[in-house]
Amino acid sequence: DAKTTQPNSMESNEEEPVHLPCNHSTISGTDYIHWYRQLPSQGPEYVIHGLTSNVNNRMASLAIAEDRKSSTLILHRATLRDAAVYYCILLSNDMRFGAGTRLTVKP
Amino acid sequence: DAGVIQSPRHEVTEMGQEVTLRCKPISGHDYLFWYRQTMMRGLELLIYFNNNVPIDDSGMPEDRFSAKMPNASFSTLKIQPSEPRDSAVYFCASSLVLAGSQETQYFGPGTRLLVL
Repeated sequence: DAKTTQPNSMESNEEEPVHLPCNHSTISGTDYIHWYRQLPSQGPEYVIHGLTSNVNNRMASLAIAEDRKSSTLILHRATLRDAAVYYCILLSNDMRFGAGTRLTVKP
Repeated sequence: DAGVIQSPRHEVTEMGQEVTLRCKPISGHDYLFWYRQTMMRGLELLIYFNNNVPIDDSGMPEDRFSAKMPNASFSTLKIQPSEPRDSAVYFCASSLVLAGSQETQYFGPGTRLLVL
């Protein structure tokens, strides 16, 4: 199964950009890269996804390396409400979450 | 749409009792997933269905766990008999399609289970 590697935790200051990295060296050509986040006491929620090109939406940006072996989720201005566990997942035939990165946002 | 609905939101039971968790997916979604989340093991996929048919149950921990989807709008996850180590938050999620790996999953609020 394709797997991802993320740092266990990261810290950011409020109003500053945050770059959350993800390594997926065994990615296949058809795997989409999805990012989800889980706020405290809630279920995971979709953030963004992409295949090869960088993607932007109202929540975040996704930068995908040219060889697709890594990607970075970018929160342009972190807020306290962005404190959550962020999961990077490769979708193939199912959906299996890793440990994710716990993002702490300091005021 | 109200999103994925799970019930109960909280369940406290005693070891040996049967526990039934319920899920109503988003209308029109063809895929339904059951996950379990604990501090030790994180978020684990237990089983998923496509058009009410179980596709992959390799994540179901043991025979005490069973899941059914009698129709497109309802699924159950049953634990019988329950044990303290089953204490966890159980999430249900649904998605429109899986082929092409583009579709996102929508998660319910979860059922927090405590087995004493």
